Amino acid sequence: GAVVSQHPSRVICKSGTSVKIECRSLDFQATTMFWYRQFPKQSLMLMATSNEGSKATYEQGVEKDKFLINHASLTLSTLTVTSAHPEDSSFYICSASRVAGTDTQYFGPGTRLTVL
Amino acid sequence: KQEVTQIPAALSVPEGENLVLNCSFTDSAIYNLQWFRQDPGKGLTSLLLIQSSQREQTSGRLNASLDKSSGRSTLYIAASQPGDSATYLCAVPNNAGNMLTFGGGTRLMVKP
Repeated sequence: GAVVSQHPSRVICKSGTSVKIECRSLDFQATTMFWYRQFPKQSLMLMATSNEGSKATYEQGVEKDKFLINHASLTLSTLTVTSAHPEDSSFYICSASRVAGTDTQYFGPGTRLTVL
Repeated sequence: KQEVTQIPAALSVPEGENLVLNCSFTDSAIYNLQWFRQDPGKGLTSLLLIQSSQREQTSGRLNASLDKSSGRSTLYIAASQPGDSATYLCAVPNNAGNMLTFGGGTRLMVKP
């Protein structure tokens, strides 16, 4: 149990377009979902925390208008990279927790975004 | 398939002690290894990243070492404090760099 999926696994897009990445908890209800970004040869960095039905909390330095996060249901969170630019090319990974306040997170396999 | 194991799963120590957390991985063909800290209900906080060409990295009271040939990494915490209480995770990427494999974590409790 406790499987998290992401779709797509890879996406290549042109500069200026918007890209949506989905994160789903397949066999459990996720009250809280986290979005991370990892640039080449750098560590995983937390972008935002989203709780079902409420606005996401963004980490310092992350533009909320550029990285739109929606957590409309207990099994789905989406990250939309708006007006993507080459510097947004990165590895995006989500994780999900069953109950707010627990420290058990289940990670998705990640999405590799390449902006041309 | 890469497998990452962390020992111990849980650790409770009195404040001030120096401690070592262990991480082992089965496929030594990694290009980096990362250590993270996880507080309850919060996202991961990156602590240290060691490139495959490096033997260790230091940040404040934290020192992480990497021995690729033996498939091991250790995180050394000096002079532990109650604020260090958290779950510590290590992770390695796959060759394509599109997936991270995490260890199960070590839950650390530092008692005042």
